[in-house]
Amino acid sequence: KNQVEQSPQSLIILEGKNCTLQCNYTVSPFSNLRWYKQDTGRGPVSLTIMTFSENTKSNGRYTATLDADTKQSSLHITASQLSDSASYICVVSAGAGGYQKVTFGTGTKLQVIP
Amino acid sequence: NAGVTQTPKFQVLKTGQSMTLQCAQDMNHNSMYWYRQDPGMGLRLIYYSASEGTTDKGEVPNGYNVSRLNKREFSLRLESAAPSQTSVYFCASSEALAGDFYEQYFGPGTRLTVT
Repeated sequence: KNQVEQSPQSLIILEGKNCTLQCNYTVSPFSNLRWYKQDTGRGPVSLTIMTFSENTKSNGRYTATLDADTKQSSLHITASQLSDSASYICVVSAGAGGYQKVTFGTGTKLQVIP
Repeated sequence: NAGVTQTPKFQVLKTGQSMTLQCAQDMNHNSMYWYRQDPGMGLRLIYYSASEGTTDKGEVPNGYNVSRLNKREFSLRLESAAPSQTSVYFCASSEALAGDFYEQYFGPGTRLTVT
């Protein structure tokens, strides 16, 4: 069964600090991994997408890493801002061609405080 | 350019009532999706439409029906609502099927409560 587990469930950090969110998956065959940001009361918004051959992808202050051997990904947020307060969801796709089964993690809820 | 829009934003139903959630996208995307999001669980796919004229079941289709009215619109219908269908429903669209590396764009969600 395809699974995506994220840790921690929630996190509180001071504005300006860095943080790292973790994602472990058991998905086969792996196709790609995405990180989404979901503000409260809004739909998810894509931050990064990585395929098997990519091990780092950046989007501004967000940097995602992927270790396909250990089936782990992380999302590092640099110099956090109050607007980073949101849930961050790891999403893994499995399959090849056509519709691929997409498994969503339950998310890490990040709160950035002044 | 509104992206993906959903109506209504909020809805309260009594058990057994029916309703249709509406979704429209203005990005000329081929594929559209309906998800539900419940506390403590990841988003789960209810139905998807790879292209106009086609629909397929996702992970949790029971109790729902869908219609791909045209390329822009994809509706989700609850024929006889049950308390277990209390959830936040998200519509999404992508240029092609999600797994082919095309980004999914999500709507703002519909918060549905069934009493």
